[in-house]
Amino acid sequence: AQSVTQPDIHITVSEGASLELRCNYSYGATPYLFWYVQSPGQGLQLLLKYFSGDTLVQGIKGFEAEFKRSQSSFNLRKPSVHWSDAAEYFCAVGSGGSYIPTFGRGTSLIVHP
Amino acid sequence: EPEVTQTPSHQVTQMGQEVILRCVPISNHLYFYWYRQILGQKVEFLVSFYNNEISEKSEIFDDQFSVERPDGSNFTLKIRSTKLEDSAMYFCASSSGSLSYEQYFGPGTRLTVT
Repeated sequence: AQSVTQPDIHITVSEGASLELRCNYSYGATPYLFWYVQSPGQGLQLLLKYFSGDTLVQGIKGFEAEFKRSQSSFNLRKPSVHWSDAAEYFCAVGSGGSYIPTFGRGTSLIVHP
Repeated sequence: EPEVTQTPSHQVTQMGQEVILRCVPISNHLYFYWYRQILGQKVEFLVSFYNNEISEKSEIFDDQFSVERPDGSNFTLKIRSTKLEDSAMYFCASSSGSLSYEQYFGPGTRLTVT
């Protein structure tokens, strides 16, 4: 069965600093990988996804993520964080046999001015 | 921009009562989903729905749960006899195709069972 681990429950960064949120997955074949963001009072919004091809994926809001098969990772990055990026971030994995993603527990991003 | 809407935003009910959570998916979408998130835990898949029938469900989605698309716009989740452990945030989502993998989520309904 597929699974996702987000090892950091909370991450605190200063505005303007770079950001990396970690995600590790467990799945036997090539996974489909996603990052979602949830702002307070909002639903989950898809930031980016990886299905195949270039392992560096660009998403919305200046985010990118890199698929590293050797490390079973799909870490989310942003070079310069804005206060509006404060939110909950969820990594998810899906498989070709099912279009239902399995979510990680989420990482809460706190941005200090 | 079209969006998924959910009502109510917060529902409080007593244990044993029936609740219906409502969702209006994006109008041209064909696939509909319910997820739940117990406070502090993962977002968990409950059920997917396509062509007026359940296409996939998790072990959480037992006989206490049912889904329905009563008309061309609404998609509902019913819990027949709520339990304390049903307290959670329930998210509805929709997508335009099974292989697009891009699901659009609503803002959620917070269900509190007392």
